[in-house]
Amino acid sequence: EIVLTQSPGTLSLSPGEGATLSCRASQSLTSGYLAWYQQKLGQAPRLLIYGASSRATGIPDRFSGSGSGTDFTLTISRLEPEDFAVYYCQQYGSSPPYSFGQGTKLEIK
Amino acid sequence: QVQLQESGPGLVKPSGTLSLTCAVSGGSISSSNWWTWVRQPPGKGLEWIGEISHGGTTNYNPSLRSRVTISVEKSKNQFSLKVNSVTAADTAVYYCTRPGAPGSFDIWGQGTVVTVSS
Repeated sequence: EIVLTQSPGTLSLSPGEGATLSCRASQSLTSGYLAWYQQKLGQAPRLLIYGASSRATGIPDRFSGSGSGTDFTLTISRLEPEDFAVYYCQQYGSSPPYSFGQGTKLEIK
Repeated sequence: QVQLQESGPGLVKPSGTLSLTCAVSGGSISSSNWWTWVRQPPGKGLEWIGEISHGGTTNYNPSLRSRVTISVEKSKNQFSLKVNSVTAADTAVYYCTRPGAPGSFDIWGQGTVVTVSS
């Protein structure tokens, strides 16, 4: 089973700043199928990035994903007030076929 | 635009069976190869439960395989989840979702809260 470890657990930043969230896999994701989700309190997750670097439909270009192998990054270039939420990474390909990281909480400083 | 809606009892007794349904609207259940259940315990992260194809093929999380059944009803355009022998650890928000964009879930239901308690 591939374990995804996200860091930091909590990130405190101000609107307008840039954010860098990390997701590290316990084994190489040879498929390259790494996704990022945003979840606000009481809401379902929202797909932001798939295939490590492709933005989902309707996602602003201030969100970008990068990485390969075991190390992946979600970058938010200029934080808007609505970006403060919990972010999860997710991999596809290893048994079980899907697994999620434990999440990074992005909070207002 | 496909939409998903979960339904089912919000309270289940310990050792009982949790049963949920996900209604697919705005499109046919045959329009997607797979349909999936994910859960989220209170204050915790997301856990993939399992998936079913519109043809009825299933895959389950090994940690839950012995207690989980996912089925599909094409005529009703819906799919279902059953978890038996539930305990308090099964208390969670249960989401139905669809793998759309490669290797990821692009459409989610709003989620339904299930509490296991006597």
